[in-house]
Amino acid sequence: SQTIHQWPATLVQPVGSPLSLECTVEGTSNPNLYWYRQAAGRGLQLLFYSVGIGQISSEVPQNLSASRPQDRQFILSSKKLLLSDSGFYLCAWSRDRGTEAFFGQGTRLTVV
Amino acid sequence: AQSVTQLGSHVSVSEGALVLLRCNYSSSVPPYLFWYVQYPNQGLQLLLKYTTGATLVKGINGFEAEFKKSETSFHLTKPSAHMSDAAEYFCAVSDILTGGGNKLTFGTGTQLKVEL
Repeated sequence: SQTIHQWPATLVQPVGSPLSLECTVEGTSNPNLYWYRQAAGRGLQLLFYSVGIGQISSEVPQNLSASRPQDRQFILSSKKLLLSDSGFYLCAWSRDRGTEAFFGQGTRLTVV
Repeated sequence: AQSVTQLGSHVSVSEGALVLLRCNYSSSVPPYLFWYVQYPNQGLQLLLKYTTGATLVKGINGFEAEFKKSETSFHLTKPSAHMSDAAEYFCAVSDILTGGGNKLTFGTGTQLKVEL
């Protein structure tokens, strides 16, 4: 069966510090990968998606970047965090077009 | 572009009562629709999905939803609420992304409270 791992679960970082959140998927190959951010009372917003190694698309302009160095690895990064980057970050994967996404357990990021 | 509206950010029911969470969508093409549940500080778990075929879809934990094209609705129901159903519920519609993959557009969520 397929599983998705996301870490860390919680993170407190000072403003201006770098960020690296990692997500890996097991039990499938060539998944579509996604990073979502959830803000209180605002639902989920798609930040980045990737349909293959090295292929990254950004949905919204922001202070973050994403990379996919391996087929089942997806990394969310920032060089300098802002207070507004605080939130709950969720990694997800899907198989084909139109199908459901499966989510990791999320990372609660607090920028102080 | 697709969009989803969830009516009622908070719904409260008594244990054993009917649960009804409302979702309306906007889509220019036949939609793929989903309901997810989220417990505090956890990821989203898929409850059920509609892609094609039967419009009444059954999911996990006794939930079901009915796709009504004429009403552009996909309401979530459960005949008898249990305390363990207290969580946040998200309706979502799928949109195909340029180059592949699919984007889920989510509603803003409905927090379900179950009271004794």
